[in-house]
Amino acid sequence: AQSVTQLGSHVSVSEGALVLLRCNYSSSVPPYLFWYVQYPNQGLQLLLKYTSAATLVKGINGFEAEFKKSETSFHLTKPSAHMSDAAEYFCAVRRVAASGTYKYIFGTGTRLKVLA
Amino acid sequence: SQTIHQWPATLVQPVGSPLSLECTVEGTSNPNLYWYRQAAGRGLQLLFYSVGIGQISSEVPQNLSASRPQDRQFILSSKKLLLSDSGFYLCAWSNVRSGYTFGSGTRLTVV
Repeated sequence: AQSVTQLGSHVSVSEGALVLLRCNYSSSVPPYLFWYVQYPNQGLQLLLKYTSAATLVKGINGFEAEFKKSETSFHLTKPSAHMSDAAEYFCAVRRVAASGTYKYIFGTGTRLKVLA
Repeated sequence: SQTIHQWPATLVQPVGSPLSLECTVEGTSNPNLYWYRQAAGRGLQLLFYSVGIGQISSEVPQNLSASRPQDRQFILSSKKLLLSDSGFYLCAWSNVRSGYTFGSGTRLTVV
């Protein structure tokens, strides 16, 4: 069954520094992978998704992620952190049930703190 | 355009009281609907999903139940809340074209 693991529950970066949030996946079939962002007391907002097309995926707010099959990774990056990037980030993989319904399995999340 | 409504935004309930959280979707038909719970430090856990009216699949055994009385309405319930039911509850919908869209969540505190 598909799953994702996020390394590091908390990450701190300085404003203007590179943001790197790590996600590794496990899947016996070509995965569909997603990154979501959650601001305090809000729902989740889709940042970007990988659906087996280009391996480098660009999302909103300057974020991008690269699918690396050899490393089973889908790390999220942003060249220069902004204070407004402080939030919790979730990696997810789409799992298809026997009925054909699909559901997303989320990682445990990484809280990003941006230091002035 | 499609929208998803979830209410209330916050709720404080005593232990042993009942619970009803409602989620409705607009602008689409026959969506797949989901309830997730987010507990502190534990990420997002899928509780229930539904592929149609009256069709509920439970992912984990618990003190909660779900119902789908109408195509675009999904309700999360409990007869008697436990302290461990505290958390942030998120409703989501999806179809083949759109992927997942989340509601704004309900913060439940059981006291």
